[in-house]
Amino acid sequence: AQKITQTQPGMFVQEKEAVTLDCTYDTSDPSYGLFWYKQPSSGEMIFLIYQGSYDQQNATEGRYSLNFQKARKSANLVISASQLGDSAMYFCAMREPQSGYSTLTFGKGTMLLVSP
Amino acid sequence: DTGVSQNPRHKITKRGQNVTFRCDPISEHNRLYWYRQTLGQGPEFLTYFQNEAQLEKSRLLSDRFSAERPKGSFSTLEIQRTEQGDSAMYLCASSLQGGPNTEAFFGQGTRLTVV
Repeated sequence: AQKITQTQPGMFVQEKEAVTLDCTYDTSDPSYGLFWYKQPSSGEMIFLIYQGSYDQQNATEGRYSLNFQKARKSANLVISASQLGDSAMYFCAMREPQSGYSTLTFGKGTMLLVSP
Repeated sequence: DTGVSQNPRHKITKRGQNVTFRCDPISEHNRLYWYRQTLGQGPEFLTYFQNEAQLEKSRLLSDRFSAERPKGSFSTLEIQRTEQGDSAMYLCASSLQGGPNTEAFFGQGTRLTVV
């Protein structure tokens, strides 16, 4: 079974509108961390936002917020007021206790295109 | 500190040749990771070091792959007898040792093309 599932291969949004990128995860551990990374065409993975499994509130970082629904095992990224520079691949990832929280497991990603 | 640095950024090699990539992590980070990313996929874990010790290797890391981190600083990833299936982006990341909220910082990757 996939640990991280991103069901949207591509998403289109107009500039200044909000967009939601979906992510569901699978783990039996009560303690885990969820991350969203942005990967522009240059290749570097840029950290956007983090949500811990025990966090009571949804994480927010500027225009990024995470819609965390623990019972549904979903951690959707919401980007408000999209900008042209937001066009990139977006990856959801999870860190679990195995091997001392050492590794990240990534989904297949969603390509976001922001149009003027 | 300018972040995680990877060299070269691009490498084209003929099938059967050996290649070596280098990663310089953020200086105070004791953990260093290698990931491989093929087209249309997310990064997949290959191996990681804590200081100079290689603590975990993925089953993706065949015996043609070897990684080192001498003295717990920079790391090298060598692929021997390259195959076309090795064509991918190889990403290096570093972090401090920590819990689930530990942020990993990635380099820009080395894109390998095997012809």
